[in-house]
Amino acid sequence: AQKITQTQPGMFVQEKEAVTLDCTYDTSDQSYGLFWYKQPSSGEMIFLIYQGSYDEQNATEGRYSLNFQKARKSANLVISASQLGDSAMYFCAMILRGENTDKLIFGTGTRLQVFP
Amino acid sequence: DAGVIQSPRHEVTEMGQEVTLRCKLISGHNSLFWYRQTMMRGLELLIYFNNNVPIDDSGMPEDRFSAKMPNASFSTLKIQPSEPRDSAVYFCASSFRGISGANVLTFGAGSRLTVL
Repeated sequence: AQKITQTQPGMFVQEKEAVTLDCTYDTSDQSYGLFWYKQPSSGEMIFLIYQGSYDEQNATEGRYSLNFQKARKSANLVISASQLGDSAMYFCAMILRGENTDKLIFGTGTRLQVFP
Repeated sequence: DAGVIQSPRHEVTEMGQEVTLRCKLISGHNSLFWYRQTMMRGLELLIYFNNNVPIDDSGMPEDRFSAKMPNASFSTLKIQPSEPRDSAVYFCASSFRGISGANVLTFGAGSRLTVL
């Protein structure tokens, strides 16, 4: 069964340090995509970064990078130079391809707390 | 573009009352998703549509829940009668049919429902 697993319910990091949020996935599809979304305390879901299964390079978006290890089926999010505003819930998600449309399934999330 | 627009943002109601949540898609998007978020179950996909047609409603918890998409840009999620365990944040999201890094799933701000 296709599944996304986030094993860290909560993480702490000091401001300006880097932090890695773990995500593993399970799929038998050869073509798939992985996303990370951020949910601050205000509640909205904000798209951060995307990695396609055939992308040879790890995705990067500013301070966000995705450590994609296909053989291990992991897609960890790395946030460099953490800021207080990075404190939020972070969700990993995977595309499920369908005949009519694609959909996303989400992991349970990791709550990141950045402290001064 | 105004993004995905949900209303109401907050709803407090009494058990047994009917609740209607509304969603306006991003112009041009043709896939619509309703998610429910709770502390216990995380983000659950309730139902999704493509080109106004419901594709999969297997995530709808009970017959008390129903969703419609009367036109290409608007959807409703109705709960009748509501129960305290329906208390959650309900997200609407839209995309093009094929989700990718270029066509991400875009979320509304959510509707926080409290059933007393």
